Amino acid sequence: GAVVSQHPSRVICKSGTSVKIECRSLDFQATTMFWYRQFPKQSLMLMATSNEGSKATYEQGVEKDKFLINHASLTLSTLTVTSAHPEDSSFYICSARADSNQPQHFGDGTRLSIL
Amino acid sequence: RKEVEQDPGPFNVPEGATVAFNCTYSNSASQSFFWYRQDCRKEPKLLMSVYSSGNEDGRFTAQLNRASQYISLLIRDSKLSDSATYLCVVTRSQGGKLIFGQGTELSVKP
Repeated sequence: GAVVSQHPSRVICKSGTSVKIECRSLDFQATTMFWYRQFPKQSLMLMATSNEGSKATYEQGVEKDKFLINHASLTLSTLTVTSAHPEDSSFYICSARADSNQPQHFGDGTRLSIL
Repeated sequence: RKEVEQDPGPFNVPEGATVAFNCTYSNSASQSFFWYRQDCRKEPKLLMSVYSSGNEDGRFTAQLNRASQYISLLIRDSKLSDSATYLCVVTRSQGGKLIFGQGTELSVKP
């Protein structure tokens, strides 16, 4: 089946640090990638949708200058949490799909802890 | 009101039990419906799509009632390995973004 790899799986860093998370589709070309955030005991919340070669579309309430998304190729999207603070600590998950008729395949998530 | 609502549980059941999860959605124009499973600290995985005619996959049966805007998942003969959080997911359009419910936690005990 389709595989989406997310890296790193776990990050612990100091407040003020910027953290980059990578999402790669390993065996298909992903025209669209999605970034989600999940706080404990809560549902996955979509943060943004990125299409290869164009600017990401952010959901309401998500700061685009805080969460920088780059989708420069059909197999790679990155999310950078800039100047992270403890309230940014969460589980970040990406997903990717080849086209709108295909299902989303999820990466295995990144657990971010900001001290 | 959340667009997709689920009873958070937890549901604690013995092995072999039958358990049913319910989900309601508020947008009557919702197009696609799914059940996902999420293990602790892991990514969600698609369990099954849900169709108006109802569908079954082994021990799992999903039902959709568009008139009531209600989705259900029935698990028969539950196994220890069924312990997870079950997420109800809808889309507003075909191929649209996934909207997740909070999830219902299931714990199957020996």
